[in-house]
Amino acid sequence: AQSVAQPEDQVNVAEGNPLTVKCTYSVSGNPYLFWYVQYPNRGLQFLLKYITGDNLVKGSYGFEAEFNKSQTSFHLKKPSALVSDSALYFCAVRDASGGYSTLTFGKGTMLLVSP
Amino acid sequence: NAGVMQNPRHLVRRRGQEARLRCSPMKGHSHVYWYRQLPEEGLKFMVYLQKENIIDESGMPKERFSAEFPKEGPSILRIQQVVRGDSAAYFCASSPPSSASYEQYFGPGTRLTVT
Repeated sequence: AQSVAQPEDQVNVAEGNPLTVKCTYSVSGNPYLFWYVQYPNRGLQFLLKYITGDNLVKGSYGFEAEFNKSQTSFHLKKPSALVSDSALYFCAVRDASGGYSTLTFGKGTMLLVSP
Repeated sequence: NAGVMQNPRHLVRRRGQEARLRCSPMKGHSHVYWYRQLPEEGLKFMVYLQKENIIDESGMPKERFSAEFPKEGPSILRIQQVVRGDSAAYFCASSPPSSASYEQYFGPGTRLTVT
């Protein structure tokens, strides 16, 4: 079965500093990877995805993620954090083990950006 | 193009009552997924439906929970005889019939409180 691990429950960073939110995965076959963001009392919003191609994927709001096959990682990054980036971030992997596609999510990482 | 709609946004039920959560997918989407989010536990898959068919209900408790997605109308997640442990945020997501990119689009969620 596919799985996703987000090793950090919370990441703290000062505004203007670079941020990284970590994600590692375990899949059989080619990995299809996603990042979503959840603001308080809201649903999840799609940020970016890796299907194939360049290992550096650019997404919404200035976020990007780096796919590393050898380390089975898909870390989310942003060069300069904003206070408004404070939210809950979920990494997800496509699961096609049943012959159809669903998403398996990590537990989420709370990002807190201080002014 | 309206996004995924869920109603009600907040639902309060007493123990033993029934809860009905509704989800209208995005226009043109025929795949619906339900997730439950509990504090400290992340997002847990419950059930995946296509029009008039349950494809995967492996994440849904065997008792008291049921889901449907009729030919006409919204998808319904039904919880009978609710207990305090059912208090959570329930999210619905949808995707088009054939999505090469596999991302899902989420609704704002229904927050169920059982008193």
